[in-house]
Amino acid sequence: DAGVIQSPRHEVTEMGQEVTLRCKPISGHDYLFWYRQTMMRGLELLIYFNNNVPIDDSGMPEDRFSAKMPNASFSTLKIQPSEPRDSAVYFCASSFNRINYGYTFGSGTRLTVV
Amino acid sequence: QQPVQSPQAVILREGEDAVINCSSSKALYSVHWYRQKHGEAPVFLMILLKGGEQKGHEKISASFNEKKQQSSLYLTASQLSYSGTYFCAQGGSQGNLIFGKGTKLSVKP
Repeated sequence: DAGVIQSPRHEVTEMGQEVTLRCKPISGHDYLFWYRQTMMRGLELLIYFNNNVPIDDSGMPEDRFSAKMPNASFSTLKIQPSEPRDSAVYFCASSFNRINYGYTFGSGTRLTVV
Repeated sequence: QQPVQSPQAVILREGEDAVINCSSSKALYSVHWYRQKHGEAPVFLMILLKGGEQKGHEKISASFNEKKQQSSLYLTASQLSYSGTYFCAQGGSQGNLIFGKGTKLSVKP
């Protein structure tokens, strides 16, 4: 298996622009998680899906953030409009279970909003 | 609610041992350990489930004391490749996996 695949690896955008991050989980994993990592706050869970259904989005910072999982092999995280404080590394991870199985992380998307 | 890791950073010489601790204020069902190298994604090392087990992974092992809500990661005879930031993550009965802030481990020749 190729692992969790994220794109793009790097994204530089101007404030106010729309940003879309993409993720392909490992085939067979029922859970997909979106994390954000910053020096100040560490790894924060934004949202997670179980069998393509959003279960908990309480970590999504604002209405500017939205996530979808139209099928078992694809998910997107969208920020509209983007702001400089959204600059971070965004990771997608997938797993068989929410707490009792290890997570496999994608390589991440480094987002810079100028 | 975030697990507390100690120490925050440690520097070792090759061949030395280290212990990283992870404490939680909540009842735990599982503890995960991950390692992240600079500029890379976190990589899963091991999971310990409720039951006070101990696990090993090469020369890296861990213990989980659910009564004390603590876990420890043991690195023996450290190698240069062990350098990175180690995260514990706690899985409780309610809610999701919560990551600690990490312990930065540097192994010098």
